[in-house]
Amino acid sequence: GQQVMQIPQYQHVQEGEDFTTYCNSSTTLSNIQWYKQRPGGHPVFLIQLVKSGEVKKQKRLTFQFGEAKKNSSLHITATQTTDVGTYFCAGELRGGSQGNLIFGKGTKLSVKP
Amino acid sequence: DSGVTQTPKHLITATGQRVTLRCSPRSGDLSVYWYQQSLDQGLQFLIQYYNGEERAKGNILERFSAQQFPDLHSELNLSSLELGDSALYFCASSVGAVPYEQYFGPGTRLTVT
Repeated sequence: GQQVMQIPQYQHVQEGEDFTTYCNSSTTLSNIQWYKQRPGGHPVFLIQLVKSGEVKKQKRLTFQFGEAKKNSSLHITATQTTDVGTYFCAGELRGGSQGNLIFGKGTKLSVKP
Repeated sequence: DSGVTQTPKHLITATGQRVTLRCSPRSGDLSVYWYQQSLDQGLQFLIQYYNGEERAKGNILERFSAQQFPDLHSELNLSSLELGDSALYFCASSVGAVPYEQYFGPGTRLTVT
């Protein structure tokens, strides 16, 4: 079936270091969304990317959508302890009637102060 | 607080039993989505309802069913429960029919013993 792969599964960083998580789809996506789930919490919507090659920034977070609309990345500059959590990408298939999101398994980020 | 409510927060039941999980979407949202989150499978999309009608179906077992009522709240029914059904069940809502910017509820943790 359709899959969205996300790497790495875990990332441990020292506070102040950068962090990147990557998302790859086996098929072309209509759009990709990113969510953050804090420990013990629920996923929270961060952003949606729609256009090929799109780059969006939210303060220290930079989101990219690949030219082929099959991959995406989230980069955090100078991590802080408040960035701790699991980051999920979720892709919506292009042209599909499913209308559903396929979530990656997430990258769990821990930040050592 | 996302504005999405789910009850109950926790549920402990025995194998073979049937349970009902309830979700109230954010005010104004017409779509409700159900997800199952387990440690090894990540977030799995189960089903979506839009304005009372089933719109998209994911990896939902035949033992599971859902519905959305005229007041837009939704219920997920899980029957003939198995140990493997133990998981966190999230409900999410969005304004329109497409799965953009979903707001997740706090989840129901189901433990099957």
